[in-house]
Amino acid sequence: GENVEQHPSTLSVQEGDSAVIKCTYSDSASNYFPWYKQELGKRPQLIIDIRSNVGEKKDQRIAVTLNKTAKHFSLHITETQPEDSAVYFCAASSLFGNEKLTFGTGTRLTIIP
Amino acid sequence: GAVVSQHPSRVICKSGTSVKIECRSLDFQATTMFWYRQFPKQSLMLMATSNEGSKATYEQGVEKDKFLINHASLTLSTLTVTSAHPEDSSFYICSASGGLIYGYTFGSGTRLTVV
Repeated sequence: GENVEQHPSTLSVQEGDSAVIKCTYSDSASNYFPWYKQELGKRPQLIIDIRSNVGEKKDQRIAVTLNKTAKHFSLHITETQPEDSAVYFCAASSLFGNEKLTFGTGTRLTIIP
Repeated sequence: GAVVSQHPSRVICKSGTSVKIECRSLDFQATTMFWYRQFPKQSLMLMATSNEGSKATYEQGVEKDKFLINHASLTLSTLTVTSAHPEDSSFYICSASGGLIYGYTFGSGTRLTVV
């Protein structure tokens, strides 16, 4: 089955700096890669996603890049703000909406004011 | 947008009792429901996948007789934790799939504490 690894497990950055979180996956059939932000005791919130036919996607301060050959994808947050502090999870699925999401281990991001 | 209602949000039960958690898709038909468990400071681990009208498929290591899943309709799925023990204390969260249109919609989660 799919295995998703995520690094780093914790990340502290100064407010205004950029944060990068990386994930690798094992199943070449995976073609949907979402990123979720989860605050304590809450449901995961989808912040951005990418499909395998695209190499990069951007939404304001958030971007995701995908390298299918190397089987890795990354989340980039620019101009970080205190409200970006949360746990971030990457995930992978082989069929959007129909197959299970396999989650990475999570990254606790702390923005230092 | 797609909404999934999950109840209860918190429950405390005594060891040995059973607890039922409900997830309802409010504005779409959930053809598939994924049930996850999340221990403190850990990731979401898939417990089982259920499709409407058929038996759930459980992940390796998850006891199907302990975690009963019912997906009797396209808008309702339930997870029953039977004979709960303190080690079952966790955050349980459902994710309803409405296929290619609605993707994955998460419930708000249930914090189960077994005392």
